[in-house]
Amino acid sequence: SQQGEEDPQALSIQEGENATMNCSYKTSINNLQWYRQNSGRGLVHLILIRSNEREKHSGRLRVTLDTSKKSSSLLITASRAADTASYFCATDGYNQGGKLIFGQGTELSVKP
Amino acid sequence: DAGVTQSPTHLIKTRGQHVTLRCSPISGHKSVSWYQQVLGQGPQFIFQYYEKEERGRGNFPDRFSARQFPNYSSELNVNALLLGDSALYLCASSLGGAGGVQETQYFGPGTRLLVL
Repeated sequence: SQQGEEDPQALSIQEGENATMNCSYKTSINNLQWYRQNSGRGLVHLILIRSNEREKHSGRLRVTLDTSKKSSSLLITASRAADTASYFCATDGYNQGGKLIFGQGTELSVKP
Repeated sequence: DAGVTQSPTHLIKTRGQHVTLRCSPISGHKSVSWYQQVLGQGPQFIFQYYEKEERGRGNFPDRFSARQFPNYSSELNVNALLLGDSALYLCASSLGGAGGVQETQYFGPGTRLLVL
């Protein structure tokens, strides 16, 4: 079963705009990871945020984590057409030993 | 450095047949995990192996099995294929320490299996 719920399921924006995707999960976690997937191919790791962290940055990406609300958000600033992809959050649950549980993903379309 | 590699990239089988998918982890990584991703869904965990031992198993029937070799590569076997097994099968590798916790998992390009 899916642990996470991503919101929105689909997002369409213009190049240069910011894109925000949200993820909610159900159980306690060790960490939460965000991945990108282009056209049904392999997953590219974007960022890992630990349960004791609240915010993390990597280039144009900013991830926040609120463990009290069991939610995370991924912000992509100044989006580009190349950012068009599906984005997934994945939780590494407490006592799950590294098994990742994925949400259903957000499909992002960035129009030039 | 080479990333995670998987073979074959595509495969077509008929119902009832069996299939073997292969994965080579990143050099130095000792843990391999397998995931199934059906169209429109997020990946679902199937197995995790570390140092040739099964560390975790997801909610998949016994038709699914896997093993890890001394060089840390891995095979996923699926017997008595069903139409519903059609999916992208993803392999992920990680260092494998600390019980797998707090580790980034790096994914391969996947094997797309179509069962007719």
